[in-house]
Amino acid sequence: DAMVIQNPRYQVTQFGKPVTLSCSQTLNHNVMYWYQQKSSQAPKLLFHYYDKDFNNEADTPDNFQSRRPNTSFCFLDIRSPGLGDAAMYLCATSRTTGTSASTDTQYFGPGTRLTVL
Amino acid sequence: DAKTTQPTSMDCAEGRAANLPCNHSTISGNEYVYWYRQIHSQGPQYIIHGLKNNETNEMASLIITEDRKSSTLILPHATLRDTAVYYCIVRLRLPGGSQGNLIFGKGTKLSVKP
Repeated sequence: DAMVIQNPRYQVTQFGKPVTLSCSQTLNHNVMYWYQQKSSQAPKLLFHYYDKDFNNEADTPDNFQSRRPNTSFCFLDIRSPGLGDAAMYLCATSRTTGTSASTDTQYFGPGTRLTVL
Repeated sequence: DAKTTQPTSMDCAEGRAANLPCNHSTISGNEYVYWYRQIHSQGPQYIIHGLKNNETNEMASLIITEDRKSSTLILPHATLRDTAVYYCIVRLRLPGGSQGNLIFGKGTKLSVKP
């Protein structure tokens, strides 16, 4: 089935040690999103790629970066994880054409739960 | 900030209809109402969306009041697998037809009980 895949599902890193989370999709969607969801909170958008264009949310810390080498893959890099960065990280995709035909429905992956020791 | 108000939690008996209310009294004419749900330890799942007309799909029905200030998501025959947090989201329709970001509020935790 066409899907949004996130690997790994669980990631443990050490305080200050860079970590990369990955997302891939078989939907051929042009937009990919990264959300952070802390325990008992709602998902919060960090940034998204519209095709190759990177769009950062104003309050996303510089510690969070992203790369999108091609349509199918998108990476979330945390340069120096702190204890407060422990969370579920959700990847989502959508097909956005900028026309009335665009559905813009976002499809989410299962998430990667990050633990920072 | 989220522009919706939902009850924190609700219970529903298995097999009965679950009616989840959402207040969006400040909604503007170019904003859609979206519903997503999140089952424990999974990513959010799209359910349904609408602008001003009532909508129905294989998962649920969405009833939007005539003044668009509130809506109700209806799961016609709730099952135990429908236990989840349900998010009502108001989403801007941008020029050209594409839509703004999803801004999640606190949602309603629905517990379906046997």
